[in-house]
Amino acid sequence: QQQVKQSPQSLIVQKGGISIINCAYENTAFDYFPWYQQFPGKGPALLIAIRPDVSEKKEGRFTISFNKSAKQFSLHIMDSQPGDSATYFCAANFGNEKLTFGTGTRLTIIP
Amino acid sequence: DAGVTQSPTHLIKTRGQHVTLRCSPISGHKSVSWYQQVLGQGPQFIFQYYEKEERGRGNFPDRFSARQFPNYSSELNVNALLLGDSALYLCASSLPSLRETQYFGPGTRLLVL
Repeated sequence: QQQVKQSPQSLIVQKGGISIINCAYENTAFDYFPWYQQFPGKGPALLIAIRPDVSEKKEGRFTISFNKSAKQFSLHIMDSQPGDSATYFCAANFGNEKLTFGTGTRLTIIP
Repeated sequence: DAGVTQSPTHLIKTRGQHVTLRCSPISGHKSVSWYQQVLGQGPQFIFQYYEKEERGRGNFPDRFSARQFPNYSSELNVNALLLGDSALYLCASSLPSLRETQYFGPGTRLLVL
């Protein structure tokens, strides 16, 4: 099974707060886990990615936490800003270029 | 540097018609993948091409076909369009050395009436 389950479906966070989006996967062969950000009418933009040999990766305000034993990974957005309001997708890949995407989280940052 | 480009941006077709969507990868990228994104869902993998050869196919009917040209651009063809084919069609490209890292274009919005 190659599903990637993502939660929550939607999320509202106050400006300056921490946004947390979670994903779980089933296929232990997955070896690459990217997060994409998508604005309405645009294609997904690669945000940050991690491999299972690392438990955490940070780029600016964005951090991926990875728990290999639980087969879960999450995106944390620190100091969330209104410009971060978008739909976020987790994805997974193994050995080739086919990405399996989660169902998406619609993030809204309110003042 | 230009990103992945796709044409047309929008398209309206009627049921039973045929459509061709085009994609130009980032310069230096030799792999192109196609995805279908239905409104409110994540992208679903359709095809992957590398060095002009099909390297992967998703769970889509034979009405869907694609090809990659010597300049690494690609076409996605859909025959006998159905209402359910209405979606955003995304093209992604990647470097030979980092094939899992995919960069997406803006997509082609297809509406089938």
